[in-house]
Amino acid sequence: DIVMTQSPDSLAVSLGERATITCKSSQSLLSSSSKKNYLAWYQQKAGQPPRLLIYWASTRESGVPDRFSGSGSGTDVTLTISCLQAADVSVYYCQQYYSTPRTFGQGTKVEIK
Amino acid sequence: QLQLQESGPGLVQPSETLSLTCTVSGGSISSSSDYWGWIRQAPGKGLEWIGSVYYSGNTYYNPSLKSRVTISVETSKNQFSLKLTSVTAADTAVYYCARELWRYYFDLWGQGTLVTVSS
Repeated sequence: DIVMTQSPDSLAVSLGERATITCKSSQSLLSSSSKKNYLAWYQQKAGQPPRLLIYWASTRESGVPDRFSGSGSGTDVTLTISCLQAADVSVYYCQQYYSTPRTFGQGTKVEIK
Repeated sequence: QLQLQESGPGLVQPSETLSLTCTVSGGSISSSSDYWGWIRQAPGKGLEWIGSVYYSGNTYYNPSLKSRVTISVETSKNQFSLKLTSVTAADTAVYYCARELWRYYFDLWGQGTLVTVSS
């Protein structure tokens, strides 16, 4: 199984500041044939199901604000929230779809400082 | 727009079988681009993928649960289902159904249903 490790486990950021979450995978998620990274990011607010934010490591899902961006490749990818809003308080998960079983990171809790 | 809704018992006895159904509305479960998956989340914990099914009945499962899991699809009812046998307290979780686009990422989720395993 591909192990997904997120860091940090939690972070507190001031409103309007940048939040950065890193996701490391135990093997590369970059396909040599498609040149794509098989990695998605989700946001989960309290009491709600996860919401897809980003797929292919950097493609924003329709309707997702452009303050959310994904970057990185291979075994190291990053989710950045460029200007944190109160509505962004959530737990964020990365997920690899490079191989079976599909696996998720342990989650990163983002709070307001 | 497409919506998913889980249904089933909220309480299951230990050693019994957990059975849930996901009803897809606003679209067809027989779309060629879609797999349909089950993911669970134990209280206060992270997400665990259980398995997924295609409208043809093709399935793939998490090896950690494979011996106890069956996922099936009923296209005439636009539903797919999860059966998990021999449950223990460790199977207590919120169970989500979701659309797995092109067998990649999960772009649409149901609201989830809490299943508690207890006598």
